[in-house]
Amino acid sequence: GDSVTQMEGPVTLSEEAFLTINCTYTATGYPSLFWYVQYPGEGLQLLLKATKADDKGSNKGFEATYRKETTSFHLEKGSVQVSDSAVYFCALSPPGGDKVIFGPGTSLSVIP
Amino acid sequence: GAGVSQSPSNKVTEKGKDVELRCDPISGHTALYWYRQSLGQGLEFLIYFQGNSAPDKSGLPSDRFSAERTGGSVSTLTIQRTQQEDSAVYLCASSQFSGGQSYEQYFGPGTRLTVT
Repeated sequence: GDSVTQMEGPVTLSEEAFLTINCTYTATGYPSLFWYVQYPGEGLQLLLKATKADDKGSNKGFEATYRKETTSFHLEKGSVQVSDSAVYFCALSPPGGDKVIFGPGTSLSVIP
Repeated sequence: GAGVSQSPSNKVTEKGKDVELRCDPISGHTALYWYRQSLGQGLEFLIYFQGNSAPDKSGLPSDRFSAERTGGSVSTLTIQRTQQEDSAVYLCASSQFSGGQSYEQYFGPGTRLTVT
């Protein structure tokens, strides 16, 4: 079945460091891909998405590119801030479906 | 506009009791989802509604769990004879009907259930 794998962390970075959180998926066809973020004490919210191969989603300095050949959707940010400390979830939605399948989440802590 | 709301925000119950968790989706969103997030775990899909019907109940962990949705709006997740392993944060999300396209899910703040 469809699934999402991501590095589980926790990841600890210093402020202004470069961030990569790896995400790979297994799915038939061309799913839509998402990154959701959960800030401490808050609900999940969509960070960015891509709906077809080679699309790049971006938001708040974060980027992820839909790579069909490697079935990946890695999240990157060039310079992280303390306010980026959160749990990040990679997710997919199969083509034609409404279910969203989430990865286990990656906890990020950014220290000053 | 108002987002997805859930009530109660926290619920402590004794083992063996029944609980009801409520979700009010965003107005006009026809799709509604329930997930469970246990401590240190990812999101576990429970059930999905399109309108008032639930085409996918595959995630319900046991027959103690049930859910309904009325009027294409409010949904209730009921857990009967609660067990300690039911302790988790129960999240509700809603989205526009996809019709083959995946729309963003908007999440509520969750209900933290503790079974003692």
